[in-house]
Amino acid sequence: LAKTTQPISMDSYEGQEVNITCSHNNIATNDYITWYQQFPSQGPRFIIQGYKTKVTNEVASLFIPADRKSSTLSLPRVSLSDTAVYYCLVAPISGYSTLTFGKGTMLLVSP
Amino acid sequence: DTEVTQTPKHLVMGMTNKKSLKCEQHMGHRAMYWYKQKAKKPPELMFVYSYEKLSINESVPSRFSPECPNSSLLNLHLHALQPEDSALYLCASSQHPAAGGSNEQFFGPGTRLTVL
Repeated sequence: LAKTTQPISMDSYEGQEVNITCSHNNIATNDYITWYQQFPSQGPRFIIQGYKTKVTNEVASLFIPADRKSSTLSLPRVSLSDTAVYYCLVAPISGYSTLTFGKGTMLLVSP
Repeated sequence: DTEVTQTPKHLVMGMTNKKSLKCEQHMGHRAMYWYKQKAKKPPELMFVYSYEKLSINESVPSRFSPECPNSSLLNLHLHALQPEDSALYLCASSQHPAAGGSNEQFFGPGTRLTVL
């Protein structure tokens, strides 16, 4: 499974856009990139998934360059409730895929 | 219903006790998972069940015994645990990869286990 590297922590203020970059240099051809969010004492929650270029949903955007060796999760106009740990994972979408969580990024949003 | 439920929410047990954690989902998912998460660490995969059969055991000690009685239920039986086994135990489910589509995993809220 491809290993991922993310910043350990990030700070932001309410209303700002936050971009969290994840490095996955040895991503395989059939790997997808997925981001999960986890609040304290809760299970992780799926945010967004993509294979290449850009994916957008109601909560975030995911930017993936052509070489796919990195990806950026973009959270528009964060609020205090976005304070959480964000995990980037890469895994195949077909076959038997198990999730290996990296260390994650602790995002702290301040007023 | 897109929810995974876990009971109990909290559990305190002694090293000689036997207890069980329970997980339930009604999304028709045929892949179910147990994870262990220590404080300030990422979740670590313990077991994977596929169509009610154990398919992955990540070298978990035998004092943890999983069971999948049917497609909606997943249990984790605990016996003779050690204090270092204290952690948040998370259950998750997903569509079986053979069914195609996203491999998104739906997680329950976890059981906070304390071993004295």
